[in-house]
Amino acid sequence: NAGVTQTPKFQVLKTGQSMTLQCAQDMNHNSMYWYRQDPGMGLRLIYYSASEGTTDKGEVPNGYNVSRLNKREFSLRLESAAPSQTSVYFCASNPADMQQFFGPGTRLTVL
Amino acid sequence: SQQGEEDPQALSIQEGENATMNCSYKTSINNLQWYRQNSGRGLVHLILIRSNEREKHSGRLRVTLDTSKKSSSLLITASRAADTASYFCATATHGSQGNLIFGKGTKLSVKP
Repeated sequence: NAGVTQTPKFQVLKTGQSMTLQCAQDMNHNSMYWYRQDPGMGLRLIYYSASEGTTDKGEVPNGYNVSRLNKREFSLRLESAAPSQTSVYFCASNPADMQQFFGPGTRLTVL
Repeated sequence: SQQGEEDPQALSIQEGENATMNCSYKTSINNLQWYRQNSGRGLVHLILIRSNEREKHSGRLRVTLDTSKKSSSLLITASRAADTASYFCATATHGSQGNLIFGKGTKLSVKP
């Protein structure tokens, strides 16, 4: 079991560029999440998907879109990157109402 | 919206000592979880304690929950240098579909 995998590990963008962060899990979990973590901060929820075919906004959704492609995959898209989106992005998954399993993170810098 | 707040923000101890971290939260919860994050890595789940539980143990970890005070503590006994990490509490509220709200964390440094 690979658990939760994320690609890429690192990315540098220029302001206005777009990109998609990929996340996949092989644990057959229904729920998946995207968080961002800024220095000295805890994680803030961007979007989540409680089940295949559904997505909902979290605490900080502005500037992001998501797609729950299938049960395994949940992608996060930045349509027009801004320096304020410089952060470390984590994907997570869980069976309902249990502990979350986290990916290794994507470190994104927007210049 | 910050639900959990850890205290202290940073803690430095010697190997072999115990480390205690506290978490306070604002609204009633379904469960509270503790996670560890090593520098530059993802979060790793440590313990989940439900609202009807008062104490849980896992190896050298002991978690307590006081719902009347809306607070939890994480005790690491006989700490090791490898315990150096940031520790986060996260709360799941009723009806939150498993969503967690994380605190800002306690940065623990254990010196050999």
